[in-house]
Amino acid sequence: AQTVTQSQPEMSVQEAETVTLSCTYDTSESDYYLFWYKQPPSRQMILVIRQEAYKQQNATENRFSVNFQKAAKSFSLKISDSQLGDAAMYFCAYRRSDMRFGAGTRLTVKP
Amino acid sequence: NAGVTQTPKFRVLKTGQSMTLLCAQDMNHEYMYWYRQDPGMGLRLIHYSVGEGTTAKGEVPDGYNVSRLKKQNFLLGLESAAPSQTSVYFCASRGSGDINYGYTFGSGTRLTVV
Repeated sequence: AQTVTQSQPEMSVQEAETVTLSCTYDTSESDYYLFWYKQPPSRQMILVIRQEAYKQQNATENRFSVNFQKAAKSFSLKISDSQLGDAAMYFCAYRRSDMRFGAGTRLTVKP
Repeated sequence: NAGVTQTPKFRVLKTGQSMTLLCAQDMNHEYMYWYRQDPGMGLRLIHYSVGEGTTAKGEVPDGYNVSRLKKQNFLLGLESAAPSQTSVYFCASRGSGDINYGYTFGSGTRLTVV
């Protein structure tokens, strides 16, 4: 079974600074998809960014980018120019057939 | 607005009671999923469906049943609720052509079993 590990239960960043959230996963597959979801206090799950495993180029969405290291099975999320609205739980997810999630990282943004 | 709608949003049950959570999507999605979210454990897959009339077990199926009689609806049932089923439940869906996209999630149901 695939497992997703987020080793940082909590992270903190100063407003306008950069923060990186870590994620590792375990799989024997070569073709899969990886995602980062944001969950604010409203509880809504919001897709932040996605990465196809067959693509070597790291995905970027505005202030959000990933560092995808396929051989190391690592998929970290970098948030640049952090804003107060970035404060939330962030979940890393792996999908081959169905989607499996990590335990989450709670990000606090300090003004 | 198109999306995934979950009802109810909150519910308190007594141990041993039964209830059904309803998930409805209006995007003509083939795939539907039920997850539970617990502190420190992320979202765990309970059951899922790959099309009308089909269901399959996920990671934590015990104590739950599901049905997908209509393509747009996916029901999650608790026959005899236990305190261990206190959780936030999320429904999600995706289309068969959306293979490289994430899921569309509902807003969740907070269930407390006392």
